Amino acid sequence: GESVGLHLPTLSVQEGDNSIINCAYSNSASDYFIWYKQESGKGPQFIIDIRSNMDKRQGQRVTVLLNKTVKHLSLQIAATQPGDSAVYFCAENNNAGGTSYGKLTFGQGTILTVHP
Amino acid sequence: EAGVTQSPTHLIKTRGQQATLRCSPISGHTSVYWYQQALGLGLQFLLWYDEGEERNRGNFPPRFSGRQFPNYSSELNVNALELEDSALYLCASSRRPGQTRAGSYEQYFGPGTRLTVT
Repeated sequence: GESVGLHLPTLSVQEGDNSIINCAYSNSASDYFIWYKQESGKGPQFIIDIRSNMDKRQGQRVTVLLNKTVKHLSLQIAATQPGDSAVYFCAENNNAGGTSYGKLTFGQGTILTVHP
Repeated sequence: EAGVTQSPTHLIKTRGQQATLRCSPISGHTSVYWYQQALGLGLQFLLWYDEGEERNRGNFPPRFSGRQFPNYSSELNVNALELEDSALYLCASSRRPGQTRAGSYEQYFGPGTRLTVT
């Protein structure tokens, strides 16, 4: 079935480096994407979202890039800090898609570890 | 502004029992979503409620059910518990999405209820 997946399950970086977390999606009809951060023992925390009519969106220290041609999504974290260590999930949605209405489809997640 | 709250934090049940999990959405949000996160796996969509009605359902058996109350809080009920039901159950809330290509809104999650079935 349609799914959202991640290329790399783990990513280790040094404090201060930039991090890039990638996500591939297979549903070409997906038109809304979200990145979440989940720390151990907590629920997912909203980071940033992007709609399919955009290819880039910036937040505080984070940037999301969307390449619809190759169905690829990435999250860039600038000047990564130890507090950024967590599991990062991408999720997609297509509310014009009937059975997809209202639901987010999540990838498996990438574990980001930031070393001091 | 208070976030999404869930109770209880932890719940331990035995096989065959029923579990009831509760969720209160962010003020102003009418939609409540339930997701299951089994150990080591991503989040799987369970149910979506809006304005007291079930709007969509994931690929889960009928023993997973729920309801939404007039104040938009929600309950998830799991009947005839099985060992594989052990997971973190997450509730999220949002404004009601429109059924259009521009109709999606971000979903905000609660801390979850850890259900253990023994």
